[in-house]
Amino acid sequence: DSGVTQTPKHLITATGQRVTLRCSPRSGDLSVYWYQQSLDQGLQFLIQYYNGEERAKGNILERFSAQQFPDLHSELNLSSLELGDSALYFCASSVGPPNGNEQFFGPGTRLTVL
Amino acid sequence: LAKTTQPISMDSYEGQEVNITCSHNNIATNDYITWYQQFPSQGPRFIIQGYKTKVTNEVASLFIPADRKSSTLSLPRVSLSDTAVYYCLVGDITDKLIFGTGTRLQVFP
Repeated sequence: DSGVTQTPKHLITATGQRVTLRCSPRSGDLSVYWYQQSLDQGLQFLIQYYNGEERAKGNILERFSAQQFPDLHSELNLSSLELGDSALYFCASSVGPPNGNEQFFGPGTRLTVL
Repeated sequence: LAKTTQPISMDSYEGQEVNITCSHNNIATNDYITWYQQFPSQGPRFIIQGYKTKVTNEVASLFIPADRKSSTLSLPRVSLSDTAVYYCLVGDITDKLIFGTGTRLQVFP
């Protein structure tokens, strides 16, 4: 158990819909990262937050957005869903720079778009 | 961020030592080398991190030559439960992590 929790575990929805994925980092971790893993694209970095502020952006689509709240939990919002958005979405947390970048990953949310 | 190259797959048998080499010719002075392990449908798990020479922990060793253009993850006496994908990442400790395709290790009985 990494200490990172993600909800829900599974999500099935239809194209065009909007969903919110939730992540609670390990106690004391200030950084939260979101990743998407699909069968054909491997593990893709989406976005990072550090202590409530966006710190780095990866291959995140404009239909996707995220935020980190004052209690440090984070939410990833996916809108206008397409079939290709079906994937495993992982959240990870770390203490944050400059204390190294060992990241602790949550169990993931499996999103299926029908 | 330095690009990494590692074998797509490797096979081994239980009890053997497995060495997975990663090349990173463009590694920068501030870059660390980090390895993660991922089982199917689970998030990656940190294995080991190093800057130069050799690092050892309870599960693996990491060998880094003086020029730091490559690194080798060594797994002693693998078991079936070590079957997983292993990712080599190179970057500054403040960098976001960029995962490549990884090395799929299959351990046979």
